[in-house]
Formats: sequence, structure tokens, C-alpha cells
Amino acid sequence: EPEVTQTPSHQVTQMGQEVILRCVPISNHLYFYWYRQILGQKVEFLVSFYNNEISEKSEIFDDQFSVERPDGSNFTLKIRSTKLEDSAMYFCASNGGQGSYEQYFGPGTRLTVT
Amino acid sequence: AQKITQTQPGMFVQEKEAVTLDCTYDTSDQSYGLFWYKQPSSGEMIFLIYQGSYDEQNATEGRYSLNFQKARKSANLVISASQLGDSAMYFCLPYDKVIFGPGTSLSVIP
Repeated sequence: EPEVTQTPSHQVTQMGQEVILRCVPISNHLYFYWYRQILGQKVEFLVSFYNNEISEKSEIFDDQFSVERPDGSNFTLKIRSTKLEDSAMYFCASNGGQGSYEQYFGPGTRLTVT
Repeated sequence: AQKITQTQPGMFVQEKEAVTLDCTYDTSDQSYGLFWYKQPSSGEMIFLIYQGSYDEQNATEGRYSLNFQKARKSANLVISASQLGDSAMYFCLPYDKVIFGPGTSLSVIP
């Protein structure tokens, strides 16, 4: 069964460093999402992406965040200058569109900023 | 603003008993859908079940079913014959909006 994959599973970085979180959505899917979940808290939407552009973003998704689909398979989330409060689990999800409603989630990347 | 409400931050259920987890969607839309996802302690998000507002029957997937009340815009998740592996966080999410409910932590007691 096709699945969304994310790498790395765990990333540790120092405050102020740039990180790139990688996701490979399901190959024929059209819509892509990033969420984050701070430990013990609710899942928060960051951004959605369709047709090679951002379709929606939350207040959390400020100038230090960016997304890219560089090669038609990967979908990346970049955090330019990490802060301690960026420590969280980051989930990528994809959706097939065309009447298919379910979002398929990746296993997540746990980001720890020290 | 549209909002998902899950009123039960934590629930306990005896193994083999049934449990109902609440979800209500505050929306003015007449056409909508609601997903339920399970997040075990390992962290992954697992799709469980979906209900569309125009579905004539309540959705059912194995031990999971939805008690859909259209007038209240609620789709409560019913887990029958609870198992220890059902202990997890459960989130409700509308299909067309990227807003998660706050979640319900379910603990199944042996």
C-alpha cells in the first residue's frame, strides 16, 4: 500500500540553524500539507500546497518557514533560523483530491532545537 | 471562524466495553465531512473513519462507527469491544479545513 514517508525521523539542531524536513507524498496525490504538534499539545496546521504553490497557511507559518516541491516527488519544509519553540513533531500529509477526502499522514519528524 | 470541539480531554473505558468520543463541527456549511484519526503513543496519525454530511447512513469500519447527528453537526466516534491497543489520542478533523480538534486521550483499562 502506498504511504507517505518522511526523513529524518529525528533531527536535533542548534538554535539559529536552518533545517530542512523532507517528505515524499504518495505519488499521484495533488495536495500536500505540513502540520506540527508540540509535545502533548494539539496538532496545528502550518501550510497546504497545491499546483506548485501555497494554497493556505496559518499564522504560525511566518517568514522563517518555506515549502518547496523541488523535483515532483519531494515536498520539503525549511525553517531558516530555528528557535527553541520550534521543537515539535512535524507531520507531512497528502491528499489525492478529486473527491478523495482522506489525508494520508507520514510518520513525522521529531525536531529538537537546543 | 469554523471550529472543531471535542469536549472530553480524557476518557477511560474498561476493556471489551464500548466507548463514545464526541466531536462537533461549528460551521455554517451544509455540505461537510468529518474524519477521525488515532494517534498512539508512537506518534503516527492513523485514519479511522469518515462521515459526509450527505451520507444517508452512519459510517462503519470494523469496530469503529460514527453516531452522526446532522442537526447538531456532530459525528461521535463509537469504539465497540475496546482493546488495550485502542489507548491513544483521537482527533477529529473536517475534510475541507485544516483544523484539528483538541483531541481526546482514551485509556483502556484491563
